[in-house]
Amino acid sequence: DAGVTQSPTHLIKTRGQHVTLRCSPISGHKSVSWYQQVLGQGPQFIFQYYEKEERGRGNFPDRFSARQFPNYSSELNVNALLLGDSALYLCASSLGPTGGQNTIYFGEGSWLTVV
Amino acid sequence: AQSVTQLGSHVSVSEGALVLLRCNYSSSVPPYLFWYVQYPNQGLQLLLKYTSAATLVKGINGFEAEFKKSETSFHLTKPSAHMSDAAEYFCAVSVVTYKYIFGTGTRLKVLA
Repeated sequence: DAGVTQSPTHLIKTRGQHVTLRCSPISGHKSVSWYQQVLGQGPQFIFQYYEKEERGRGNFPDRFSARQFPNYSSELNVNALLLGDSALYLCASSLGPTGGQNTIYFGEGSWLTVV
Repeated sequence: AQSVTQLGSHVSVSEGALVLLRCNYSSSVPPYLFWYVQYPNQGLQLLLKYTSAATLVKGINGFEAEFKKSETSFHLTKPSAHMSDAAEYFCAVSVVTYKYIFGTGTRLKVLA
């Protein structure tokens, strides 16, 4: 079975532009979470969606938004890109709502460079 | 609030030596604890998780971790390091919320 798949794997954007990152969860998983990993740090929680509803949001500005589609895939959108948004964006999926003992499984990530 | 502290951002061991990566947590309720490994330019892979069923948890690739409530610790160990273990390791805590909280990571270097 395929794991969590993310696209694109690498992209370069200019300050002020907008970016859309995509994620397909493991088959049967209904929860998708997004994390940002800045170089040299651990992943920081951005959003969680379960059954197409936002279940949680991390401490990120409103420039960050996401949604989950009926097939449980998800998009992360970032508007008005800043240099500080350069990071690895990780998508993770789980069977049920993330949290507690539900294990989350990560994709390979999307490397975003803002210049 | 929950938090995780990983002591030592870089650890070096000789091939065949014991690996010990330290993780201390803070949680007001019984936590669920995880160790993930990240190889260069890849996502995170689950090594093992603690869900209160047993305090000693065995994971993949010969790693194990012991939950010690009195010390609020969940250190990761492996009896004998292999060159392929060189990677970054992250400890994470989750309670009944919607997110994992990750530590800052420990980069393991294995010396030949």
